Amino acid sequence: GAGVSQSPRYKVAKRGQDVALRCDPISGHVSLFWYQQALGQGPEFLTYFQNEAQLDKSGLPSDRFFAERPEGSVSTLKIQRTQQEDSAVYLCASSLDEAGYIQETQYFGPGTRLLVL
Amino acid sequence: RKEVEQDPGPFNVPEGATVAFNCTYSNSASQSFFWYRQDCRKEPKLLMSVYSSGNEDGRFTAQLNRASQYISLLIRDSKLSDSATYLCVVNLISNFGNEKLTFGTGTRLTIIP
Repeated sequence: GAGVSQSPRYKVAKRGQDVALRCDPISGHVSLFWYQQALGQGPEFLTYFQNEAQLDKSGLPSDRFFAERPEGSVSTLKIQRTQQEDSAVYLCASSLDEAGYIQETQYFGPGTRLLVL
Repeated sequence: RKEVEQDPGPFNVPEGATVAFNCTYSNSASQSFFWYRQDCRKEPKLLMSVYSSGNEDGRFTAQLNRASQYISLLIRDSKLSDSATYLCVVNLISNFGNEKLTFGTGTRLTIIP
């Protein structure tokens, strides 16, 4: 079946520009995660959704970062007034069940590679 | 101190050799443990979970030592296709009740023909 998809795959933004990154999780997956992966580093947790509810946003680096999942499926990560340090790969992952007591495998999308000039 | 620490490598290993990676984690409340594989410019993919009793999947063996807070991965009879970055991953339950995967920086492995 279809995996997690993300768009755009590549985005070049000028410093100060707003960007929106989209994630289409696997159909029926309850949990959705966003990660940021800087060059040469492992992914770092940004935020977590259970259906439409954003239960954990402790990893968002600043108030310029905003995520939503209004209907419990597609999610958008928005970065306002982008800075050069925002350049990274933004990965989305989904898992079937609630992320907590039941440990479900997270399936990652291909990521959006963001470059801020 | 990073929550999950790995030797970034690179490890350059001849085909057919055995190679081992170690990883340490700082939070003793960590719930579960994994190795992920990430190919260049691709997304991470789950390689295997890691259990205290040790577990094996073909040429791959993973081990967890909770007392010392370290995780290992052994690859036997390495193949060219094993060339990738191997990410050590620790799963915590956050204050909000959700799991949070914490990744190491990854260990880069290149298998040489």
